[in-house]
Amino acid sequence: DGGITQSPKYLFRKEGQNVTLSCEQNLNHDAMYWYRQDPGQGLRLIYYSQIVNDFQKGDIAEGYSVSREKKESFPLTVTSAQKNPTAFYLCASSNPPQETQYFGPGTRLLVL
Amino acid sequence: GESVGLHLPTLSVQEGDNSIINCAYSNSASDYFIWYKQESGKGPQFIIDIRSNMDKRQGQRVTVLLNKTVKHLSLQIAATQPGDSAVYFCAENKFNNFNKFYFGSGTKLNVKP
Repeated sequence: DGGITQSPKYLFRKEGQNVTLSCEQNLNHDAMYWYRQDPGQGLRLIYYSQIVNDFQKGDIAEGYSVSREKKESFPLTVTSAQKNPTAFYLCASSNPPQETQYFGPGTRLLVL
Repeated sequence: GESVGLHLPTLSVQEGDNSIINCAYSNSASDYFIWYKQESGKGPQFIIDIRSNMDKRQGQRVTVLLNKTVKHLSLQIAATQPGDSAVYFCAENKFNNFNKFYFGSGTKLNVKP
């Protein structure tokens, strides 16, 4: 089955701790994205990557970091600098020039 | 039943009725639009898309209507089923600017048996 997987489904973070969310896709898509979803709000773009070894900041990149060492993988690290990390995190991918983005199942991050 | 985007975030319909979910988009330069369905605790699922050179597009039980004059998008679901219960939101994009989607906060659809 082709698709996007995210792990873990739930993640708990302690104060001052960095945590990494995994995103893997086997759709052979070049572009990958990370969004944050808060209750009652639209998705907000954190980081995106158009190609391996390249990524760009989105609208709310502060307190987050990413890497894109492989085409199929785009992990997101939530650093201790992110003071309000509790949210639902969604990874997506697309195959430019087609714009349609397809989403993974999400990771819910909670703070202990 | 009919909703008006952000001002009516919950829409309740009877099973078997048709549903109409509305979205007011913000950028007159946007020329590509997507409707997503998101069930509780899950990732958004692509339903249907439309480009600005069309005003209507049909899928299986769903129809999207685009009115560029008033920057309005609607999703019609025919013969609504309990499995249609979810949050529906629209996304807008400017052609070839695939990194810059703007997402609405959505409308929650409740289907009553």
